Amino acid sequence: GAGVSQSPRYKVAKRGQDVALRCDPISGHVSLFWYQQALGQGPEFLTYFQNEAQLDKSGLPSDRFFAERPEGSVSTLKIQRTQQEDSAVYLCASSAATRLSYEQYFGPGTRLTVT
Amino acid sequence: DAKTTQPPSMDCAEGRAANLPCNHSTISGNEYVYWYRQIHSQGPQYIIHGLKNNETNEMASLIITEDRKSSTLILPHATLRDTAVYYCIVSYSGDKIIFGKGTRLHILP
Repeated sequence: GAGVSQSPRYKVAKRGQDVALRCDPISGHVSLFWYQQALGQGPEFLTYFQNEAQLDKSGLPSDRFFAERPEGSVSTLKIQRTQQEDSAVYLCASSAATRLSYEQYFGPGTRLTVT
Repeated sequence: DAKTTQPPSMDCAEGRAANLPCNHSTISGNEYVYWYRQIHSQGPQYIIHGLKNNETNEMASLIITEDRKSSTLILPHATLRDTAVYYCIVSYSGDKIIFGKGTRLHILP
């Protein structure tokens, strides 16, 4: 079956531009997570949705970062006025979040380069 | 901060069993041990998880000590495609993942 997909796979933005990164979770998955992975580091948590509700946004590094999941399926991570330190791979993961299945399934990521 | 400690790197000969250790001495009673791996330029991949009992699936086996303070992931017959960074994670079911630095496993031909 189809896994988690993310688009675009690569994005180059000039400093100060706004970007929008899309995540299509596995169909029917209730939970959706965003992570940021800097070069050579492990992924770091950004935010978490259960259906359309954003339950945890404690990892968002600044108010330039905004995420939404309006219909409880597709999610968009938006970064306003991008800075060079925003350059990273942005990973999306979804989970069925049932009693028997809490594991997260990750997409391939979007590599953002801010020049 | 990650609640686990793993060796930064390990080598294993192709075809042999790879045994990856993890210490999690502060694990709470309801926290699970999860293992994920990340192959270069890909997103992390779920491998296996457990609470108290040893677990086995088509990818690996997970051995958890009786006091739950450490565990070992076993890849029974390592292949070159198993070269990856392996992350041991302790978390409540459904919670966000706090990744540590993981173990970089090199499979030697």
